[in-house]
Amino acid sequence: AQKVTQAQTEISVVEKEDVTLDCVYETRDTTYYLFWYKQPPSGELVFLIRRNSFDEQNEISGRYSWNFQKSTSSFNFTITASQVVDSAVYFCALSLQGGSEKLVFGKGTKLTVNP
Amino acid sequence: GAVVSQHPSRVICKSGTSVKIECRSLDFQATTMFWYRQFPKKSLMLMATSNEGSKATYEQGVEKDKFLINHASLTLSTLTVTSAHPEDSSFYICSARDPDRGGYTEAFFGQGTRLTVV
Repeated sequence: AQKVTQAQTEISVVEKEDVTLDCVYETRDTTYYLFWYKQPPSGELVFLIRRNSFDEQNEISGRYSWNFQKSTSSFNFTITASQVVDSAVYFCALSLQGGSEKLVFGKGTKLTVNP
Repeated sequence: GAVVSQHPSRVICKSGTSVKIECRSLDFQATTMFWYRQFPKKSLMLMATSNEGSKATYEQGVEKDKFLINHASLTLSTLTVTSAHPEDSSFYICSARDPDRGGYTEAFFGQGTRLTVV
């Protein structure tokens, strides 16, 4: 069975601080996909990134960066110079190979960025 | 990117009535859609996988007679909450993937439906 753990329930930072959201996953499969989604107060889920299990390269997209380490089964997400608009709930998710596979979500981390 | 539209965004219904939620893929054909439920301040839990032209696959513990799913076309899946009770109040959200984009792609989510049963 697959499992995603986001140990941080809530994080509060001051604007311009850097913040890292942790994600640890469990699966016995060798092929899998990891995702991060953002859920603002309005409720919709916004896709941020997808990473497959064979690609351990870290990725940077503007102020966002992701650190994928298979050795520790972690896929952490860092926001640099946080902004108030980054306030949201962030979900890490896991899926197995195949376009019809469901997503297994972590419990989410609520990030509050204060001005 | 691919767009998934969900309707309505909010609905209030009386106990005992049924309510239908629609999930449409606007610019692609989705053979598979997923329905999730999210309790307040909780994670998203998969309820069922909706398969076009066949019966939905429900997750363990989800009442299939209460949460009716119909995937009659490649662009539309519906979730009907039958004989709704206050404990059915929740945020329901659907997702779908575009199979023609090549390789494994991310799921695109609808805007979600906040159901309140009074």
